[in-house]
Amino acid sequence: QVQLQQSGAELVRPGASVTLSCKASGYTFTDYEMHWVKQTPVHGLEWIGAIDPETGGTAYNQKFKGKATLTADKSSSTAYMELRSLTSEDSAVYYCTRFEDSFYAMDYWGQGTSVTVSS
Amino acid sequence: QIVLTQSPAIMSASPGEKVTITCSASSSVSYMHWFQQKPGTSPKLWIYSTSNLASGVPARFSGSGSGTSYSLTISRMEAEDAATYYCQQRSSYPPTFGAGTKLELK
Repeated sequence: QVQLQQSGAELVRPGASVTLSCKASGYTFTDYEMHWVKQTPVHGLEWIGAIDPETGGTAYNQKFKGKATLTADKSSSTAYMELRSLTSEDSAVYYCTRFEDSFYAMDYWGQGTSVTVSS
Repeated sequence: QIVLTQSPAIMSASPGEKVTITCSASSSVSYMHWFQQKPGTSPKLWIYSTSNLASGVPARFSGSGSGTSYSLTISRMEAEDAATYYCQQRSSYPPTFGAGTKLELK
């Protein structure tokens, strides 16, 4: 069965960077784009960007350009998202999601990683 | 970017009651997806491409709409349907989500 296992909760200092991981199993990693979504009580669900694990090609929401960098490691079937220059606005739950391109939907979601930015 | 406005924001329904949640887009979209989220869990794809039920979704759910107006309907409310429902469009970049409709059991 398809599973997306995300890394654990992070507590980080303002100004720091953090890298979140998302390990995929139960399907061929390179056959599906991986998308990332941010969730906060204030802004709800926001699409951050996507990566094609086969080519490494990426697409970003303009709002998150410069904030997030997506990468993928085919050898370990793991996607990563680095968030830099963190502020309290980056405190959120972050999800990785598999994208099913036959119907253009995010069909499987990881359990989410909580990031808290605090001094 | 396309703004999706869901209504109502919060609602309650009794068991057996018909429920309709609407999603209005600021510009025309080709189709709409819907997600269900329960507290402490990640969103689940519930309805895709406007009217197709995701795997395991009960047949009492349905979706419809076109252009700027879409809806999710539950023919008869059950306790397990209490959750927050989000609409999402991918016709235009960036993909955007509605703010959610919290459905409670009365």
